Amino acid sequence: GAVVSQHPSRVICKSGTSVKIECRSLDFQATTMFWYRQFPKQSLMLMATSNEGSKATYEQGVEKDKFLINHASLTLSTLTVTSAHPEDSSFYICSALSPQLLAKNIQYFGAGTRLSVL
Amino acid sequence: AQTVTQSQPEMSVQEAETVTLSCTYDTSESDYYLFWYKQPPSRQMILVIRQEAYKQQNATENRFSVNFQKAAKSFSLKISDSQLGDAAMYFCAYRSASGTASKLTFGTGTRLQVTL
Repeated sequence: GAVVSQHPSRVICKSGTSVKIECRSLDFQATTMFWYRQFPKQSLMLMATSNEGSKATYEQGVEKDKFLINHASLTLSTLTVTSAHPEDSSFYICSALSPQLLAKNIQYFGAGTRLSVL
Repeated sequence: AQTVTQSQPEMSVQEAETVTLSCTYDTSESDYYLFWYKQPPSRQMILVIRQEAYKQQNATENRFSVNFQKAAKSFSLKISDSQLGDAAMYFCAYRSASGTASKLTFGTGTRLQVTL
């Protein structure tokens, strides 16, 4: 199956700093990537949809200036949590979709990033 | 908006036995896709099985099969010959067939415990 790499797997930062999370499709070109947030013992909540070469589409209630998404290439999307605060601590997961996979309508997921803001 | 409901927060099954996880959904669309994803303790989301709504035949992947009842908007997952490695959170998900990159809507998940 398709491989999606997410880095870092865990990050601890001080309040007020910015954190960048990378999501890479390793063996396919991803025209669309999705960013999710998962609270402990809860389901995945979609934050935004990222399309290569265009602005991301954010879900209602997600601050686009807080969670900056860049999808500059067909294999890389980044999520930057700006001026992080303790309430931003969570598990962030990305997934990718490619034209080749589109026919199967399957999203492949990264392993997630656990963000802890002190 | 579509919603996905998993009414079983936790389930338990003995090794080698069979267990069924429930999922219902609400939609006004006629064409869509349904998925079951597994999230083990590593937190890596793994696709277990998928079903196209236009197909009447239930999908099967080795020990995993679904019971898709379109009229009832039900999509249950059956795990046969359960193994210790099946222990995980299981999420049911819905995706519209319209649009080129429609988002997934997830249920709240069912935690499956496998006992010896």
